[in-house]
Amino acid sequence: DGGITQSPKYLFRKEGQNVTLSCEQNLNHDAMYWYRQDPGQGLRLIYYSQIVNDFQKGDIAEGYSVSREKKESFPLTVTSAQKNPTAFYLCASGQETNTEAFFGQGTRLTVV
Amino acid sequence: GENVEQHPSTLSVQEGDSAVIKCTYSDSASNYFPWYKQELGKGPQLIIDIRSNVGEKKDQRIAVTLNKTAKHFSLHITETQPEDSAVYFCAASFGGFKTIFGAGTRLFVKA
Repeated sequence: DGGITQSPKYLFRKEGQNVTLSCEQNLNHDAMYWYRQDPGQGLRLIYYSQIVNDFQKGDIAEGYSVSREKKESFPLTVTSAQKNPTAFYLCASGQETNTEAFFGQGTRLTVV
Repeated sequence: GENVEQHPSTLSVQEGDSAVIKCTYSDSASNYFPWYKQELGKGPQLIIDIRSNVGEKKDQRIAVTLNKTAKHFSLHITETQPEDSAVYFCAASFGGFKTIFGAGTRLFVKA
């Protein structure tokens, strides 16, 4: 089945630690995205990538980093510089601009 | 900056009634307007979309209308069912790879 897979579903992080969220897609999509979702707010764009080895900052990139070494994979690292990392993180992919985005099931990150 | 406002934030309807969710966008260059449904603990899924060259689109019980002059677009769900209960997001694409999302509407359908 084609789709987009995020792991883990739940993640707990101690303050001061970096953590990496995985996102893999087998839809052969060029573009991939990371969004953050907080209660009562829409999805806010963290980073996006249009092609391999290229990525752009979104609206809330501070404290996050990404890589795009393979078309299928777009991992997100939440660094210790992110002051309020507890949130629901969503990865998405899309083939072209102005078309449907396909979302993963999300990773809920909690700082303990 | 670019913005999408969505109302209401919460909507409760009786099963069988209609539900309407409204959104307003700021950038007149927007030309693609998707609507996503998010069930608890899952990622959003596209339910319907509309492009700026069309004023209305319908898919069974779901319809979307677009008023480019007023920069408004709306989602209409008729004959609501309990399984329609979810969070609904509108969005507007301003070109390129960026999409701006509304804050979401939590819809409750009471049986």
